Amino acid sequence: DAGVTQSPTHLIKTRGQHVTLRCSPISGHKSVSWYQQVLGQGPQFIFQYYEKEERGRGNFPDRFSARQFPNYSSELNVNALLLGDSALYLCASSLVGTSYNEQFFGPGTRLTVL
Amino acid sequence: GENVEQHPSTLSVQEGDSAVIKCTYSDSASNYFPWYKQELGKRPQLIIDIRSNVGEKKDQRIAVTLNKTAKHFSLHITETQPEDSAVYFCASGGSNYKLTFGKGTLLTVNP
Repeated sequence: DAGVTQSPTHLIKTRGQHVTLRCSPISGHKSVSWYQQVLGQGPQFIFQYYEKEERGRGNFPDRFSARQFPNYSSELNVNALLLGDSALYLCASSLVGTSYNEQFFGPGTRLTVL
Repeated sequence: GENVEQHPSTLSVQEGDSAVIKCTYSDSASNYFPWYKQELGKRPQLIIDIRSNVGEKKDQRIAVTLNKTAKHFSLHITETQPEDSAVYFCASGGSNYKLTFGKGTLLTVNP
């Protein structure tokens, strides 16, 4: 029984570039949330998608965008990368799109911006 | 916006002792309070959660207590073992669609 998967595992980019991160939720889960975890801090909410629609957005600039596909997988896109975007990006899936439900995290994508 | 304060930031205990981590939240609409354990280089894993209609929940050596009036919840680990060493995060969820996390507690259990 596969858990949440994310790709790539690690990524190195330079300032100004664009990046796309991918997430596949647990089978049967319809909600995907994205979090940014800076070293030494707790995860910070970026987006939640449920049934392919954005349900919530955290305090992140418009350079961050996401989408969810018909198979419930999701992409997180970040444009015009800044040094401060270096972080672990976590995807979490849950059965339904409310914060009352257990969220299962993927292993994350470690993004380094040089 | 919602804020979750977590204390202490680091905690060192001897094997067999108890460990307590405390969190406070600001949003009175919060109804769900999970605790995650994150080992170095690994994903956060849910270890226990509690909903607002319950004051306490226990699962073997781990327990969580909730005081909604004080907007305060705590994680209690008894009979600590070296494998309990990790970073622990509290979080709160409410009427919106996100979890708000604390900054984490690095727990070290010394053999």
